Amino acid sequence: ELKVEQNPLFLSMQEGKNYTIYCNYSTTSDRLYWYRQDPGKSLESLFVLLSNGAVKQEGRLMASLDTKARLSTLHITAAVHDLSATYFCAVELNYGGSQGNLIFGKGTKLSVKP
Amino acid sequence: EPEVTQTPSHQVTQMGQEVILRCVPISNHLYFYWYRQILGQKVEFLVSFYNNEISEKSEIFDDQFSVERPDGSNFTLKIRSTKLEDSAMYFCAIRPGTFSRETQYFGPGTRLLVL
Repeated sequence: ELKVEQNPLFLSMQEGKNYTIYCNYSTTSDRLYWYRQDPGKSLESLFVLLSNGAVKQEGRLMASLDTKARLSTLHITAAVHDLSATYFCAVELNYGGSQGNLIFGKGTKLSVKP
Repeated sequence: EPEVTQTPSHQVTQMGQEVILRCVPISNHLYFYWYRQILGQKVEFLVSFYNNEISEKSEIFDDQFSVERPDGSNFTLKIRSTKLEDSAMYFCAIRPGTFSRETQYFGPGTRLLVL
C-alpha cells in the first residue's frame, strides 16, 4: 500500500521567512503533484513533477522531486500572507493498468503571519 | 485550465437516503475520478473511470457507491443508502490528456451532510 507522509502538518511562518515542506512516499513512483487548498475550497494544481530531479518554480514556491529518495520538497521563499493555505502532495499510482489515481498526503496547513 | 462544474454545491440528506452527485466537464475528457475529503482530513481516492467504465476503485467504494456517465457528458456518483460517515466534500476530477502527463483538475466539490 502506497503511503504518503507530509511534514510538518502545521506551519506558522513570519512574512519574509523561508521554509520547506517535505513529502515522503513509500513506493516507486515518478509522478508527484502539489496542490493548494484554501478553506472550504477546491484543490488548485500548483506543480506536476514527472521525473527524477524535476524542479519547478512559480513565484515564491519551488518544488522538486527525488525519486530515488522518494522525496519531494516544496520550498517557500520570502513568505507572504497570501500563501496561507493547506498544501497537499499527491503521488500517482502508475502501475500497469492503473489510470493514475492520486494518493494524497495529510496536508500541511500553512499560516503566514505579519 | 479545463473547467469542471459540480452540482449541487451543498446537499443535506437523511441517513438511508440516496444521493446523486453530478460532475460536468466543460469539454470531452477520457479520465474521470471521484475523491472525497472528510472535514479537516486528507483527500481520499474513491474511483477512476476511463472509457466509460470503472478502471479502479478503493476500499471506500463499496456496493453502496456507483458511477456512470448517463448521457456521455455528465459524470455521476450515486450513494444508495447514505450513512453518517459519508458526510464529506466530494470532488470530481478530470485528466485532460490522452496520456498521464497532465495534472488532474478538480471541480469545486459538493459538500454532503448526512443527518
